[in-house]
Amino acid sequence: QVQLVQSGAEVKKPGASVKVSCKASGYIFTGYHIAWVRQAPGQGLEWMGRIRPDSGGTYYTQKFQGRVTMTRDTSIGTAYMELSSLRYDDTAVYYCATECCSGWRLNYWGQGTLVTVSS
Amino acid sequence: DVVMTQTPLSLSVTPGQPASISCRSGESLLHTDGKTYLSWYLQKPGQSPHLLIYEVSRRFSGVPDRFSGTGSGTHFTLEISRVEAEDVGIYYCMQSLPLPWTFGQGTKVEIK
Repeated sequence: QVQLVQSGAEVKKPGASVKVSCKASGYIFTGYHIAWVRQAPGQGLEWMGRIRPDSGGTYYTQKFQGRVTMTRDTSIGTAYMELSSLRYDDTAVYYCATECCSGWRLNYWGQGTLVTVSS
Repeated sequence: DVVMTQTPLSLSVTPGQPASISCRSGESLLHTDGKTYLSWYLQKPGQSPHLLIYEVSRRFSGVPDRFSGTGSGTHFTLEISRVEAEDVGIYYCMQSLPLPWTFGQGTKVEIK
């Protein structure tokens, strides 16, 4: 069965960076995009961008351009999302989700990673 | 970016009664391949979102048949024929035609 397992909660200071991992299993990792979606406390879902695991090609929303970097390690079937220059309003749960096995939708989601930005 | 607008933002439903959520997109979600890329997700309290409906009306694996989706172009509807207690949560529509993909604001469904 398809599973996405994310890294644990993080607490970071303003201006720091955070890197969240997402380990995929149960399907061919390089076959489908992995997207990152965030949810601030009490707020809705925000699609941040995605990575194509086979090529490493990325698409980032304009809001996060320059601050987000999505990468992957195909040898271990893991995707990463790094967000830099953290601000208080980056406090959120960050989800990875895969388009496996169809494209065009988010079929399976990770459990989420809480990132807290606090001084 | 394509704006997705959901109504209502909250809904209180008696168990066994129907519920309906509307989602409008700022532009047509009909692709040249003939498919319309509109999906619905449910986020139950304390959980990650999960896929309910894709391509407007197709139920994802394991989704009960009391959930159905209709619509075309820019106007879409999610219907629950008979709401059950386990259906509480926040429902989101999402468009996946032009990048970036975008979500509606969410509709909170609770039980009376």
